Amino acid sequence: DAEITQSPRHKITETGRQVTLACHQTWNHNNMFWYRQDLGHGLRLIHYSYGVHDTNKGEVSDGYSVSRSNTEDLPLTLESAASSQTSVYFCASSAPGMAEAFFGQGTRLTVV
Amino acid sequence: GDSVTQMEGPVTLSEEAFLTINCTYTATGYPSLFWYVQYPGEGLQLLLKATKADDKGSNKGFEATYRKETTSFHLEKGSVQVSDSAVYFCALSAYGSGNTGKLIFGQGTTLQVKP
Repeated sequence: DAEITQSPRHKITETGRQVTLACHQTWNHNNMFWYRQDLGHGLRLIHYSYGVHDTNKGEVSDGYSVSRSNTEDLPLTLESAASSQTSVYFCASSAPGMAEAFFGQGTRLTVV
Repeated sequence: GDSVTQMEGPVTLSEEAFLTINCTYTATGYPSLFWYVQYPGEGLQLLLKATKADDKGSNKGFEATYRKETTSFHLEKGSVQVSDSAVYFCALSAYGSGNTGKLIFGQGTTLQVKP
């Protein structure tokens, strides 16, 4: 079955370190998204991509970057991790013409 | 800009009780509307959707009707079960994004159902 996989599921890192969260989907969807989930805020969009080599900033993009070198993967990089980036991160994807998105299981990141 | 507001939680109900979770939105144009559910330790799953005014989305006994006049998309279920305990998110498709999967979410409402 097609799916969307995030790794790692849990990570603890130190302030100032660079961290990369992986997202891999096997649906061949063009559109991919990264959200962060925080209590009281729901999910907020960090970055998104509508295809290979396309990337766009979302609502809370400061301190994050993404790159899209193939259809299947959209890694999220925290350039210099901060305690404010402690959160649960979700990757999602959708096909063109689809209004809804499909989500991964999430990565819980703790910055100490 | 576009936004979604959900009722404050947590909501605690006894099994077989009637459920309503309120959701209102502010949007430019005519967005599609969604309810997603997040079970403990899992990602978000699409529960139901409605793409135009007066549409009713339904799934697993849950229903929601797209009300343009009141800008609402309230989630209802006639008889909840313990297995419905989860966090529920209301969402809309972002303006100008067309059908791309780019969504704006409410803050989520935690539902706890007691036996």
